[in-house]
Amino acid sequence: EAGVTQSPTHLIKTRGQQATLRCSPISGHTSVYWYQQALGLGLQFLLWYDEGEERNRGNFPPRFSGRQFPNYSSELNVNALELEDSALYLCASSLVRAAPYNEQFFGPGTRLTVL
Amino acid sequence: DAKTTQPPSMDCAEGRAANLPCNHSTISGNEYVYWYRQIHSQGPQYIIHGLKNNETNEMASLIITEDRKSSTLILPHATLRDTAVYYCIVRPRSNDYKLSFGAGTTVTVRA
Repeated sequence: EAGVTQSPTHLIKTRGQQATLRCSPISGHTSVYWYQQALGLGLQFLLWYDEGEERNRGNFPPRFSGRQFPNYSSELNVNALELEDSALYLCASSLVRAAPYNEQFFGPGTRLTVL
Repeated sequence: DAKTTQPPSMDCAEGRAANLPCNHSTISGNEYVYWYRQIHSQGPQYIIHGLKNNETNEMASLIITEDRKSSTLILPHATLRDTAVYYCIVRPRSNDYKLSFGAGTTVTVRA
């Protein structure tokens, strides 16, 4: 069974540009989560999508946004990139209906570098 | 969510058991204890979870004290591939499914 996949593996952008990161969940999973892991800051929750709807949002500015498609894949968009957006962006998926256990399975991440 | 406290680092000899402690003294009755680990530059990997009973799977064992204020993750026979950052997370049984990661414990398994 294929795991969570993310693309691209690496992404280099300059300040002010927009970045689009993609995630495909494990087949059958309806929830996708996005986390940011910046150097020295640890893993921070960004967004949670389930059944196409945004369910929860972390403490990030509105220029971080995303969406979930009918096939449950997801995009994370970061507008007006700033240097401090450089980080590893991790996507995870789970089957919410399997609650309360809800293990999240993580992808390998996208390394975003903002120059 | 209840906060967790873990030692920042620990070493373990290859082939020996690794016992990773976690304090969660403010845990409430509906909160589960989860353990994840993150091997360098990879996405976190789910290890195990529990509510109040001890749990075991193919990766590890989880021992939760009777008062649920602390737990221990046991890797029975540590290998070099177990070198990673281990995160203890407490999360309620609710509709808020995000995981709140702390700093974790950096475990180094030495040959």
